[in-house]
Amino acid sequence: AQSVTQLGSHVSVSEGALVLLRCNYSSSVPPYLFWYVQYPNQGLQLLLKYTSAATLVKGINGFEAEFKKSETSFHLTKPSAHMSDAAEYFCAVSTSNTGKLIFGQGTTLQVKP
Amino acid sequence: DSGVTQTPKHLITATGQRVTLRCSPRSGDLSVYWYQQSLDQGLQFLIQYYNGEERAKGNILERFSAQQFPDLHSELNLSSLELGDSALYFCASSVDSRETDTQYFGPGTRLTVL
Repeated sequence: AQSVTQLGSHVSVSEGALVLLRCNYSSSVPPYLFWYVQYPNQGLQLLLKYTSAATLVKGINGFEAEFKKSETSFHLTKPSAHMSDAAEYFCAVSTSNTGKLIFGQGTTLQVKP
Repeated sequence: DSGVTQTPKHLITATGQRVTLRCSPRSGDLSVYWYQQSLDQGLQFLIQYYNGEERAKGNILERFSAQQFPDLHSELNLSSLELGDSALYFCASSVDSRETDTQYFGPGTRLTVL
């Protein structure tokens, strides 16, 4: 069965600092991986996705993630945090044949001025 | 704005009651997914429909049911409601049902069971 683990339910960074949100997956088949962001009282918005075309994936708002098969990881990074990045971030894996998403528990990103 | 609409935005009801949540997918999308978000369970997949047919089922309770209509909108029916059903219910849509398809999420319906 496929699963996703997000390490750290809360991450706090200073404005301008590096953002690193960790995601590890478990899958018996090549996974398709996604990062979504949820702002307060809103739905989820896709940041980026890995579909095996390239291991380094660039997304919106300056975020990127690298797929590392040897480490079964898909960590999300951004070089410089902005106050507007404060939100909850979800890593997800897509299961075969249907596209349904299995989500991690989420990581709340706090950005301090 | 993702293009996915959900109504109502908020719903407050009592235990034992039945409610219907409605979702209109993005224009052209054939797949509709329903997810439940709660503090203790996180984001859980409930059920998926593709072009009117049930495609996949997750941890959906027997008290819950869904359908997708010919115009592709979908409804999630929750009956014999319990306090633990209080959650945010999201609908998402995608153009097809491939594992690489992007799912676009609606703003959600917040259900409160008193």
